[in-house]
Amino acid sequence: NAGVTQTPKFQVLKTGQSMTLQCAQDMNHEYMSWYRQDPGMGLRLIHYSVGAGITDQGEVPNGYNVSRSTTEDFPLRLLSAAPSQTSVYFCASSYSWGGGNEQFFGPGTRLTVL
Amino acid sequence: AQTVTQSQPEMSVQEAETVTLSCTYDTSESDYYLFWYKQPPSRQMILVIRQEAYKQQNATENRFSVNFQKAAKSFSLKISDSQLGDAAMYFCACHTSGTYKYIFGTGTRLKVLA
Repeated sequence: NAGVTQTPKFQVLKTGQSMTLQCAQDMNHEYMSWYRQDPGMGLRLIHYSVGAGITDQGEVPNGYNVSRSTTEDFPLRLLSAAPSQTSVYFCASSYSWGGGNEQFFGPGTRLTVL
Repeated sequence: AQTVTQSQPEMSVQEAETVTLSCTYDTSESDYYLFWYKQPPSRQMILVIRQEAYKQQNATENRFSVNFQKAAKSFSLKISDSQLGDAAMYFCACHTSGTYKYIFGTGTRLKVLA
């Protein structure tokens, strides 16, 4: 099993550009989520999904879109990148949305917006 | 709303000594779970320990144990016989089945001194 994979590992964007961060898991996990990690702010939840076709907003959803057309994939779209979106982004998955299951994390994507 | 607070941005411990990392949380849900995750310099998030709120017994995993005080909403992590490999950022997290969300604290950076 590859676990949770994220691409790309690094990305530099100019203000106003759009892009998609890819996330995939091969564990047939029901629950997937996106976080951003900023110094002194920990991990903040952007969006999450409790199953294919079902997504919802987390703590900091503005400027980001998600969709979940398959169980395996959960891409994060930046619509019009801003310097405030410079961060490290983590995708995570867990077996189900309930029961306090362990989340498995991808290796992260470091995004810089100039 | 759920909140998780880690009031110690940085801690140091001598190798082979014991250190305790603090975490407090707040949730109105009765069904919740608490976690400690470790993030070494590689950036990969790793589960350290997990506690079900309905269990009174404190969770332990080898050198890692928790002190779960439900009434005080406190969930501290004790690392015994600290090793150089324990140096990392540690995040406390709370998951409630009712909201589907995992909420993380801001993290504590642990330094282990040889």
